[in-house]
Amino acid sequence: EVQLLESGGGLVQPGGSLRLSCAASGFTLSSYAMTWVRQAPGKGLEWVSAISGSGMSKYYADSVKGRFTISRDISKNTLFLQMNSLRAEDTAVYYCAKDRSQWGAYGLDVWGQGTTVTVS
Amino acid sequence: QSVLTQPPSVSGAPGQRVTISCTGTSSNFGSNYDVHWYQQLPGKAPKLLIYGNNNRPSGVPDRFSGSKSGTSASLAITGLQAEDEADYYCQSYDNSLSGSWVFGGGTKLTVL
Repeated sequence: EVQLLESGGGLVQPGGSLRLSCAASGFTLSSYAMTWVRQAPGKGLEWVSAISGSGMSKYYADSVKGRFTISRDISKNTLFLQMNSLRAEDTAVYYCAKDRSQWGAYGLDVWGQGTTVTVS
Repeated sequence: QSVLTQPPSVSGAPGQRVTISCTGTSSNFGSNYDVHWYQQLPGKAPKLLIYGNNNRPSGVPDRFSGSKSGTSASLAITGLQAEDEADYYCQSYDNSLSGSWVFGGGTKLTVL
């Protein structure tokens, strides 16, 4: 079964750091683009970052550029989001999601359950 | 302010047909990028409902359909059921600046 399991969320002070993990099973990360999407309390979905299947291309929303870094460990089939210089407005549920293709932008067909980040 | 524009809410009675619009721009829909639709039930992760403008993943009922024309897209739900009450989001790719994935602001569907 294809699954994503996020972890690493928690409570952190403004200016602090967290690293989110997303363990994938049932498929290989190197075959698909992967994204992070967040949802602030009571708000809509916001795209945060993406990495292509090859790992060569990484993309960031302007709101997190220079503060967040997306990466992956193919040997562990795990996606990461390193979040530095955290702000109150980064408070959200963070989802990792699998794209239908290795290039991205073909639809996110598998989502994790989400991990909550609170900056306060 | 979301790049893709959706109505905040729509409603319909059981059995009726409702549509949710999603308006884009020249840098996303107008550049021929596809639209995808997601359903988010309360307290749950989003679920892919429609991909590539009008394709349903396995398991999605054919009551759900999508279309796209120019810089506009829409999701149609026929035979409305109580369990369809959820938030719906459109999503695409935008090639402005360095490129990014973009979502609509979401539409809350209420089944009366």
